[in-house]
Amino acid sequence: TQLLEQSPQFLSIQEGENLTVYCNSSSVFSSLQWYRQEPGEGPVLLVTVVTGGEVKKLKRLTFQFGDARKDSSLHITAAQPGDTGLYLCAGAKGGSQGNLIFGKGTKLSVKP
Amino acid sequence: KAGVTQTPRYLIKTRGQQVTLSCSPISGHRSVSWYQQTPGQGLQFLFEYFSETQRNKGNFPGRFSGRQFSNSRSEMNVSTLELGDSALYLCASSLAIGAGELFFGEGSRLTVL
Repeated sequence: TQLLEQSPQFLSIQEGENLTVYCNSSSVFSSLQWYRQEPGEGPVLLVTVVTGGEVKKLKRLTFQFGDARKDSSLHITAAQPGDTGLYLCAGAKGGSQGNLIFGKGTKLSVKP
Repeated sequence: KAGVTQTPRYLIKTRGQQVTLSCSPISGHRSVSWYQQTPGQGLQFLFEYFSETQRNKGNFPGRFSGRQFSNSRSEMNVSTLELGDSALYLCASSLAIGAGELFFGEGSRLTVL
């Protein structure tokens, strides 16, 4: 069974701090996605990384895909209360993006 | 454009009953996937449909079934409900299989008593 391990499970920080969330697996994925989910809503896609070693930036968020395509990280700079939510990584097998393996998520709380 | 619509949003059932959940994908999207989300297991893949055919299936018992209609709308059914079936059931649509971004609905929260 392919698993994606996310750490930390919970993170509570003050506004302005930096943080990094990790997503690790023993398996290789064709692509890896990061989602953010707020209470009462479905996950919303933040980014897709495809190439080993790839780094993508989305404003204060930086995403990195490991060289071996088994792990990924999400770094947030100067976190804001609006960043609060559940961050999920998901790996795709082959060409099917609809069949994703999700990590259990990192619940982030950013306090003003 | 309208997003993915799931109905009902909330429902309560008792053990042994069956339930049907509905999902209307974004207009023009032909692929629909279903996921179960629980605090303990996170999001787990149930099945994926494209052109009215089940293309992939997750590791769930046969009590979980689904179908897709010619207009791409999808339904999933859970029979003989168990307490452990209590979860948020999420539907996601995409243009086609392997076509990039998944768009999730807000989910149907099922409570089994």
